[in-house]
Amino acid sequence: NAGVTQTPKFQVLKTGQSMTLQCAQDMNHEYMSWYRQDPGMGLRLIHYSVGAGITDQGEVPNGYNVSRSTTEDFPLRLLSAAPSQTSVYFCASSRQGDEQYFGPGTRLTVT
Amino acid sequence: KQEVTQIPAALSVPEGENLVLNCSFTDSAIYNLQWFRQDPGKGLTSLLLIQSSQREQTSGRLNASLDKSSGRSTLYIAASQPGDSATYLCAVRVVYGNKLVFGAGTILRVKS
Repeated sequence: NAGVTQTPKFQVLKTGQSMTLQCAQDMNHEYMSWYRQDPGMGLRLIHYSVGAGITDQGEVPNGYNVSRSTTEDFPLRLLSAAPSQTSVYFCASSRQGDEQYFGPGTRLTVT
Repeated sequence: KQEVTQIPAALSVPEGENLVLNCSFTDSAIYNLQWFRQDPGKGLTSLLLIQSSQREQTSGRLNASLDKSSGRSTLYIAASQPGDSATYLCAVRVVYGNKLVFGAGTILRVKS
């Protein structure tokens, strides 16, 4: 039981490049979410999903896309990276109304 | 819009002291409240989850309380140790949209 896994751990992008942050969970959780963490601003919700095929926007969705084709996977796509997207990204999963489990994070730098 | 505030922003205490971290939220329509610990450069570790119908939860030296009507939660740490040094985050799961809203955290340093 690996819990929530994220890849890569670190990534450096140039402005305008695109990439996908991967997230997977093996706990059969229906809820999955992506957050970004910036100094002094806490964690902010980017996108979330309440089940396969269902996604919705969080607090800061602009510049990001998600899809949920399976229960296990919830990738986050950066369409055209900007320096403002330099952050630490966390994926989380849970059952409805239950404890949230977080992945180890991806540290992204956009130059 | 739900807002979560944590006080104090930073706290430094000598080893062995009992301490209280505070969390307040503006909307009482929540499913639950969760306390997390985050070490520098690491992910979030769940400490305690309190459902909206509960008043408190305990795990070892940690005790968390919830007063939903007043929008407050406290995390009590007994007999603090240097290994407790970390950032402590409070988050509420809101009913509308079933999303988690975080406070900015309290940075705790326990001096030996």
